[in-house]
Amino acid sequence: QSVLTQPPSVSGAPGQRVTISCTGSSSNIGTGYNVHWYQQLPGTAPKLLIYNNNNRPSGVPDRFSGSNSGTSASLAITGLQAEDEADYYCQSYDNSLSESVFGGGTKLTVL
Amino acid sequence: EVQLVQSGAEVKKPGESLKISCQTSGYSFTNYWIAWVRQMPGKGLEWMGIIYPGDSDTRYSPSFRGQVTISADKSISTAYLQWTSLKVSDTAMYYCAKLAIFGVANNWFDPWGQGTLVTVSS
Repeated sequence: QSVLTQPPSVSGAPGQRVTISCTGSSSNIGTGYNVHWYQQLPGTAPKLLIYNNNNRPSGVPDRFSGSNSGTSASLAITGLQAEDEADYYCQSYDNSLSESVFGGGTKLTVL
Repeated sequence: EVQLVQSGAEVKKPGESLKISCQTSGYSFTNYWIAWVRQMPGKGLEWMGIIYPGDSDTRYSPSFRGQVTISADKSISTAYLQWTSLKVSDTAMYYCAKLAIFGVANNWFDPWGQGTLVTVSS
């Protein structure tokens, strides 16, 4: 059971918009710790997608955006493309565990 | 360019020992935390622990404390993850990752190593 909760799967057609939620608690997202997102393409290592809630590293398309509110965060992907099919993970810090925590991951399928 | 290059895949028997490595380049190794992350087959990412190579300060997730040892060699900018007695349940992909900024909280992992697949089977 992950400390951060994500839906196991989401799907969308090419060109559509999808969102992936990440629900935490008062000991992590709710207390103000930032949320970061990673994309893991099949058979590869995770790659940073969004850091500090809504910042994109250079090279990440602006189709990817992040937001958070209260004890939850969301990753939005607009203009869905076949190459976006991957697993997505959120990550934050938990002060009761004193460690970084990940969501369970969400598999995005592009229909 | 910051790079983390991990050692190759390993196949071991239960009870054997193992040490895998994460060789870094392109930044000051002693000034940033390095993390180890486990991914069991078909599962998600699990934070195992971190090390600050500057002073070897090491922190473990309770799930992994006593099961593995994280270390670093400043002279060759390399971090390690080791087991003294492997179990079948240690079969997984193991990633090292650099924490992006100074500090432990409110930090993120970037970049990641390519991963080391450890298979434990009798």
